Amino acid sequence: DQQVKQNSPSLSVQEGRISILNCDYTNSMFDYFLWYKKYPAEGPTFLISISSIKDKNEDGRFTVFLNKSAKHLSLHIVPSQPGDSAVYFCAGAFAAGNKLTFGGGTRVLVKP
Amino acid sequence: DTGVSQNPRHKITKRGQNVTFRCDPISEHNRLYWYRQTLGQGPEFLTYFQNEAQLEKSRLLSDRFSAERPKGSFSTLEIQRTEQGDSAMYLCASTDPGQEQYNEQFFGPGTRLTVL
Repeated sequence: DQQVKQNSPSLSVQEGRISILNCDYTNSMFDYFLWYKKYPAEGPTFLISISSIKDKNEDGRFTVFLNKSAKHLSLHIVPSQPGDSAVYFCAGAFAAGNKLTFGGGTRVLVKP
Repeated sequence: DTGVSQNPRHKITKRGQNVTFRCDPISEHNRLYWYRQTLGQGPEFLTYFQNEAQLEKSRLLSDRFSAERPKGSFSTLEIQRTEQGDSAMYLCASTDPGQEQYNEQFFGPGTRLTVL
């Protein structure tokens, strides 16, 4: 039972353009969602999150959109930079401080 | 504070041997989590502690796995009678729901286990 899915395993984008990463979930009871970035040989690093009662959250170059009716969220990175090349995971969580349920990840390659 | 640390970073063992990993969370973070990540997959939740109390264990966690956090600070994860299917990256994370605005968890670099 995969509650969080990232259907695009990889994404390639030109430097300066927009990267759009998608995530679908099945459990409507998630209280909030988070995006993490992971470089090889490192642990995941928190990027941005959104409460289930919001539809948008923005932090610098990163914006997360939540469409509850479609059970879909997306992460927009604008402009994309070579240092953004990494694997991105979305995750859902039920309550404060509770366990994270991750998607399978999307590998992003930003070409100079 | 240098963040979450995990030791060892790499562990190679033979099938049937026992292994133990250690996680040191961010100071004063009262919640500590263990996840397992296999190649091409996202991290999967194993168990978590609130201070020294183990509050939840995943059904993925077989009887061969045990975790402790005896003084509410560092934690250990032990795998007994390792199997080749245990080969994975074991990640530790910590948080303090009262401090972190978005309840984000901070991850360590992980321990990569290879069972031969």
